[in-house]
Amino acid sequence: EDQVTQSPEALRLQEGESSSLNCSYTVSGLRGLFWYRQDPGKGPEFLFTLYSAGEEKEKERLKATLTKKESFLHITAPKPEDSATYLCAVQDQETSGSRLTFGEGTQLTVNP
Amino acid sequence: GAVVSQHPSRVICKSGTSVKIECRSLDFQATTMFWYRQFPKQSLMLMATSNEGSKATYEQGVEKDKFLINHASLTLSTLTVTSAHPEDSSFYICSASAWAGGWVAYEQYFGPGTRLTVT
Repeated sequence: EDQVTQSPEALRLQEGESSSLNCSYTVSGLRGLFWYRQDPGKGPEFLFTLYSAGEEKEKERLKATLTKKESFLHITAPKPEDSATYLCAVQDQETSGSRLTFGEGTQLTVNP
Repeated sequence: GAVVSQHPSRVICKSGTSVKIECRSLDFQATTMFWYRQFPKQSLMLMATSNEGSKATYEQGVEKDKFLINHASLTLSTLTVTSAHPEDSSFYICSASAWAGGWVAYEQYFGPGTRLTVT
């Protein structure tokens, strides 16, 4: 059974204070690892897809990296508008179609 | 690109009535659509998977007669909550799956969600 564990559950940062969110996963065979951002009362917004260990992707202040067991979402010099819940999900090669297994999310708060 | 819409965004209905939620992929054809339910401060809970032209696959514990899913085309799926009760009040989110290209992976794009309140 696929498992995704995100840590920490909640993170408070001061504006400009860089940090990382962790996503540990267990799958039979990784087809893809996905990061989403979710604002309160809204649907998740797609950020990144990572496919293989060593891969990195960047978008503005966010950088996602992937190893064989975990993924990190690095936030550099965050701003208050980066406050949101960040969700990690995996897609298993053994699962038909595009089903995702989600972690519980990390709630990020960036104070001005 | 990859925009998914949901309608309505909020709905209030009386106990015992039915309510329909629409999910549309606006700029791509989705081979598969998913319906999730989300409780406050919790992650997404997958309710069912639907493929165009075939019956939906429901997750364990989800009543298929209560949550009717129709995937009539490659751009439209609907969720009907039948005989709604207060415990069905929740945030319902759909997603549509699109081929990511290159590597063998499908990306899921989510709608904005529908807040259902049953009184």
